Amino acid sequence: DSGVTQTPKHLITATGQRVTLRCSPRSGDLSVYWYQQSLDQGLQFLIQYYNGEERAKGNILERFSAQQFPDLHSELNLSSLELGDSALYFCASSAGVFGSPLHFGNGTRLTVT
Amino acid sequence: AQKITQTQPGMFVQEKEAVTLDCTYDTSDPSYGLFWYKQPSSGEMIFLIYQGSYDQQNATEGRYSLNFQKARKSANLVISASQLGDSAMYFCAPSPQSNTGKLIFGQGTTLQVKP
Repeated sequence: DSGVTQTPKHLITATGQRVTLRCSPRSGDLSVYWYQQSLDQGLQFLIQYYNGEERAKGNILERFSAQQFPDLHSELNLSSLELGDSALYFCASSAGVFGSPLHFGNGTRLTVT
Repeated sequence: AQKITQTQPGMFVQEKEAVTLDCTYDTSDPSYGLFWYKQPSSGEMIFLIYQGSYDQQNATEGRYSLNFQKARKSANLVISASQLGDSAMYFCAPSPQSNTGKLIFGQGTTLQVKP
């Protein structure tokens, strides 16, 4: 058990809809990362937060947004969903210090129909 | 942009034998770390081992070890005495110190352990 909790585990929704994925980091970890894993794109970094502030941005679409709350949990919002957004979305957390491993949640499997 | 190359998309190994998974990377940052992760078919991402670029010795963690060749920018994962449960996808991810801690992953290598 990595200590990172992601909900929900599975999500099925229709094109054009909006969903929110939730992540609770490991106790004590200040940094949260979101990744998207699809068959054609592999494991792609989306965005990182550190103690409530955005720290790094990757290949995140404008339709997607995220935030980290004062209690350090994070949410990833996906809107105007398209079929191509179907993927496994991971949240990971770390201490945010150089050399700290990322600890991943079990992911949210999003299916857009 | 950081480039990571895992040249073996798929590999087979006999149970109880050792196997080496290749990873080369391209970074200009003099200080970096190198992470390896395992993703079994159940989907979770499991941290395996870490090597710092200034570490004098190659990292080891149980049956996992790294063959780290800094000049070649290579950090190959060696799994000794393979077990059926080692069948999974394996990802390497270099992490330059300037990189805020985020990891950029290679395309991965699928390992299948044969009984």
